[in-house]
Amino acid sequence: DIQMTQSPSSLSASVGDRVTITCRASQAIYNSLAWYQQTPGKAPKLLVYAASRLRSGVPSRFSGSGSGTDYTLTITSLQPEDFATYYCQQYYTMPPLTFGGGTKVEIK
Amino acid sequence: EVQLVESGGGLVRPGGSLRLSCAASGFSLSASEMNWVRQAPGKGLEWISYISSDDTVYYIDSVKGRFTISRDNAKNSLYLEMNSLRAEDTATYYCARDGFDVLTAYSFHAFDVWGQGTTVTVSS
Repeated sequence: DIQMTQSPSSLSASVGDRVTITCRASQAIYNSLAWYQQTPGKAPKLLVYAASRLRSGVPSRFSGSGSGTDYTLTITSLQPEDFATYYCQQYYTMPPLTFGGGTKVEIK
Repeated sequence: EVQLVESGGGLVRPGGSLRLSCAASGFSLSASEMNWVRQAPGKGLEWISYISSDDTVYYIDSVKGRFTISRDNAKNSLYLEMNSLRAEDTATYYCARDGFDVLTAYSFHAFDVWGQGTTVTVSS
């Protein structure tokens, strides 16, 4: 199974800050990576797939990058609605599909 | 509007059974690859099962032999039959559709449509 390790597990930031979340896979996943945003009590929402493709309708302040085993989700100019938990997920191999442990972005 | 709506969750005793349903609207389930993902209280996301458009199925090891994924194309619905339930199966269960990029015809095993979730509690 491919293990996905996200860091940090939580962070505090202010509106307008630039935020970077990292996801490391236990083996190369060749850009088969997605990022999700989840707010309390809600289902996750897909933000990015194929490591860097922004889903239609997702604000351009979100971006994904990376290759091999290391991937990054960046939020430029954090907005109030961006305070949430973010998850990465690999889909290079299945079963199983695997998620990172999550990164909670909190208000400083 | 593309939508998934789960139902069937509830309180069940250890060793019991439950059947979750996921009704799709706005798209054809028969042409889609579908999944169940769960989230234990206060924990992260865990993929548990997949069914392809030609009914190939996969499961995570912890539910293999206990859970069965299926679909009814006529009802445009997805199901998860859960048997021999354990306390560690307590979670919110989501059905989710595999993604598809229309512009590039790129399909991928990440999830572009999610239901609202249904809660399963396994407790005596």
